[in-house]
Amino acid sequence: DAKTTQPNSMESNEEEPVHLPCNHSTISGTDYIHWYRQLPSQGPEYVIHGLTSNVNNRMASLAIAEDRKSSTLILHRATLRDAAVYYCILRGANFGNEKLTFGTGTRLTIIP
Amino acid sequence: GAVVSQHPSRVICKSGTSVKIECRSLDFQATTMFWYRQFPKQSLMLMATSNEGSKATYEQGVEKDKFLINHASLTLSTLTVTSAHPEDSSFYICSARIRLASNYEQYFGPGTRLTVT
Repeated sequence: DAKTTQPNSMESNEEEPVHLPCNHSTISGTDYIHWYRQLPSQGPEYVIHGLTSNVNNRMASLAIAEDRKSSTLILHRATLRDAAVYYCILRGANFGNEKLTFGTGTRLTIIP
Repeated sequence: GAVVSQHPSRVICKSGTSVKIECRSLDFQATTMFWYRQFPKQSLMLMATSNEGSKATYEQGVEKDKFLINHASLTLSTLTVTSAHPEDSSFYICSARIRLASNYEQYFGPGTRLTVT
């Protein structure tokens, strides 16, 4: 599986934007970039995913570098409820390599 | 988004006994379900992939005779931890995959915390 690299932890002030980086230099052409987050004592929650173009949804935005070797998850206005571990995961589109393999993620702390 | 439930949410059992955890997709049919395990302060580790009507595929290092997985219907998969020991105490999370028009999405259950005494 292609690997991703994320900072272990980040802090942000409440109501400020947050940019969570992810490096995936070995990404293949058919790998989708997925972001999940996990709140304490809960299962992971889908945040967003993309392939080549930037993506927006009600939770966040995903900015994908032109060479696809990195991406950034953007929370436009962080709240205390956004404190979680954020996982950047690559997933293949072909049958047999669709497993989601979790790395260590980034633990996001929101400062009131 | 799609909803995945797990039951029970917490279970305490004695060493040597077996525990069954259920995973249900509530509003969609899931041909594939996944079971993960998470120890404190660690990331999720995939244990096995379960396809409806067929045997589960286990990840390297996961004992298939200890962690029995049954996926008898499109909405239910079960994980049975047999002869549980304290080192099996962990947070067990299931996930169900749904096929979309051009991609797949995967949704996770809330997890089951198993404590073996």
